[in-house]
Amino acid sequence: QSALTQPRSVSGSPGQSVTISCTGTSSDVGGYNYVSWYQQHPGKAPKLMIYDVSKRPSGVPDRFSGSKSGNTASLTISGLQAEDEADYYCCSYAGSYTLGVFGGGTKLTVL
Amino acid sequence: QITLKESGPTLVKPTQTLTLTCTFSGFSLSTNGVGVGWIRQPPGKALEWLALIYWNDDKRYSPSLKSRLTITKDTSKNQVVLTMTNMDPVDTATYYCAHRPPSGWFNFDYWGQGTLVTVSS
Repeated sequence: QSALTQPRSVSGSPGQSVTISCTGTSSDVGGYNYVSWYQQHPGKAPKLMIYDVSKRPSGVPDRFSGSKSGNTASLTISGLQAEDEADYYCCSYAGSYTLGVFGGGTKLTVL
Repeated sequence: QITLKESGPTLVKPTQTLTLTCTFSGFSLSTNGVGVGWIRQPPGKALEWLALIYWNDDKRYSPSLKSRLTITKDTSKNQVVLTMTNMDPVDTATYYCAHRPPSGWFNFDYWGQGTLVTVSS
């Protein structure tokens, strides 16, 4: 069982927006502003999409945005495109002992 | 341009020790703040962080696997090595190494392609 809880799947039509949630505890998501999100296409390595809750690395479209409220972080993808269909994982810093934890992953289907 | 590549055996037997090497380019593991981590992913399952080594040789391990893991670096060779003892079939997974940027707390901005390790007799 993963430390962070994500919905197993979400879906949306092209052009729509979807939001993926990531629920942790006050020891990880709620305690630090160090949540990151990764996109993973089948057979490929994960790609960093969001870090420090809401920052985008260079080259990531601004259709991807992140936020956090309490112990839950969220990834929102607006203007869905077919290429966004992938698995998405959240990740959070969890203190100097545990260091970091991943979520269980969410499969995004673009209808 | 940062690149990383994992290498090691594709098949190990139960109880054996796994040794994986991450060879990287485009950055130096002696640069302040930089780190290299190992993350694994069993087939069809989620990512799991294993270990992280920092530029200053500080080493961190997943608490659940700490007793079985050792991470080391060879800065002159641009390599990081992960060893995992007492391998079990449940350790079958794709193992990734990844670059932790100086500005990051726990995020990885460049990943290797991954290497699939199967544990079977």
